[in-house]
Amino acid sequence: QVQLVESGGGLVKPGGSLRLSCAASGFTFSDFHMSWIRQAPGMGLEWISYISGSATSIYYADSVKGRFTISRDNAKNSLSLQMNSLRAEDTAVYYCARDIPASAWGQGALVTVSS
Amino acid sequence: DIVMTQTPLTLSVSPGQPASMSCKSSQSLLRSDGETFLYWYLQKPGQSPQLLIYEISRRLSRVPDRFSGSGSGTDFTLQISRVEAEDVGTYYCMQGLQLPLTFGGGTKLEIK
Repeated sequence: QVQLVESGGGLVKPGGSLRLSCAASGFTFSDFHMSWIRQAPGMGLEWISYISGSATSIYYADSVKGRFTISRDNAKNSLSLQMNSLRAEDTAVYYCARDIPASAWGQGALVTVSS
Repeated sequence: DIVMTQTPLTLSVSPGQPASMSCKSSQSLLRSDGETFLYWYLQKPGQSPQLLIYEISRRLSRVPDRFSGSGSGTDFTLQISRVEAEDVGTYYCMQGLQLPLTFGGGTKLEIK
């Protein structure tokens, strides 16, 4: 059974940093590209980052480029998102998702940026 | 970036009645090999989104056959032949033709 479990969310002050993790199981992790998708409170879905299975291709939305870094550890079946210089508008639930078309999603991790 | 536009914002439907929602893209989602990268998701209240339909009309095996997708190029439709209470939530379309992946703003389905 495919499972994605995010962790690392929490409350952080503007300008601060946070690292999200996504533990994958139930499939061959290295065979799939992965994405982070976020949803601000009461709002729609925003794709923010993509990483290929071998980590040779990485893309970011303009809204997070230069501040967020996606990475993966295929030996540990783990996906990460390092978030720096956080802003109030980064407040959202962050989902990790498998492949395009995001055939599997985690339960989400809430990140709140507030002073 | 490809802009995805969904209408209506809200749909209120009685149980057993049909429902239809639209998704339009700012450019064609047809790739040169003939594939069209348009997907539909349902986010039930308090849950993560779940993929319902991929490549316009291909339904996942767990998705009831009352759900159907259609369209081509830039205009797409998700139809529910007979709405049930468990279908409530927000439906999103997404294009997977190019990065950045982009979602429509969503259509919220309510039961009358």
